[in-house]
Amino acid sequence: AQTVTQSQPEMSVQEAETVTLSCTYDTSESDYYLFWYKQPPSRQMILVIRQEAYKQQNATENRFSVNFQKAAKSFSLKISDSQLGDAAMYFCAYRMNRDDKIIFGKGTRLHILP
Amino acid sequence: GAVVSQHPSRVICKSGTSVKIECRSLDFQATTMFWYRQFPKKSLMLMATSNEGSKATYEQGVEKDKFLINHASLTLSTLTVTSAHPEDSSFYICSAQRAGPVVVGYTFGSGTRLTVV
Repeated sequence: AQTVTQSQPEMSVQEAETVTLSCTYDTSESDYYLFWYKQPPSRQMILVIRQEAYKQQNATENRFSVNFQKAAKSFSLKISDSQLGDAAMYFCAYRMNRDDKIIFGKGTRLHILP
Repeated sequence: GAVVSQHPSRVICKSGTSVKIECRSLDFQATTMFWYRQFPKKSLMLMATSNEGSKATYEQGVEKDKFLINHASLTLSTLTVTSAHPEDSSFYICSAQRAGPVVVGYTFGSGTRLTVV
């Protein structure tokens, strides 16, 4: 069965600094999608970034980028120039191609220190 | 684009009653929607996959007779918690994916906080 592991329950970073959130996953599929979602205190789930497994190039979205290591089954999220509004719960997620389900990791709570 | 509306945002009900939660895709059609449950400070747990025009597919351990799902149209899925008990109190979230050749990620509703007293 597919699993998504986020080994850091909480992290803190100074405002304007860079932080990396870790995520590993386990799958036997070769074609899939990976996502990072942000859940602020409002609890609205917001898509931060997505990565297609067949693409070798790491996805980037402004201050957010990923380090996708397919062989290692690793998908970390880097947040540059951290801002107070980045404080939230971050979930790594895996989408199975065969049935469109999304499986979430347990999340990492990110604190931004002013 | 790709907005999902979930209603109500909060509901309090008495034990033994039923509660219906609606999930609507406002600007796109969704043949498949998903229902999640989230406990405080925990991750999202997939409950079921809602398929338009057919029966929902429930995850292992989820009681389909307690959590009734109906996906009557391409823009609306409902979750009914039947004979609610305090242990059903939780945060319920729906999501939908815009159909198309490119997977752009799921759009989530804003969630429903259910409190059973």
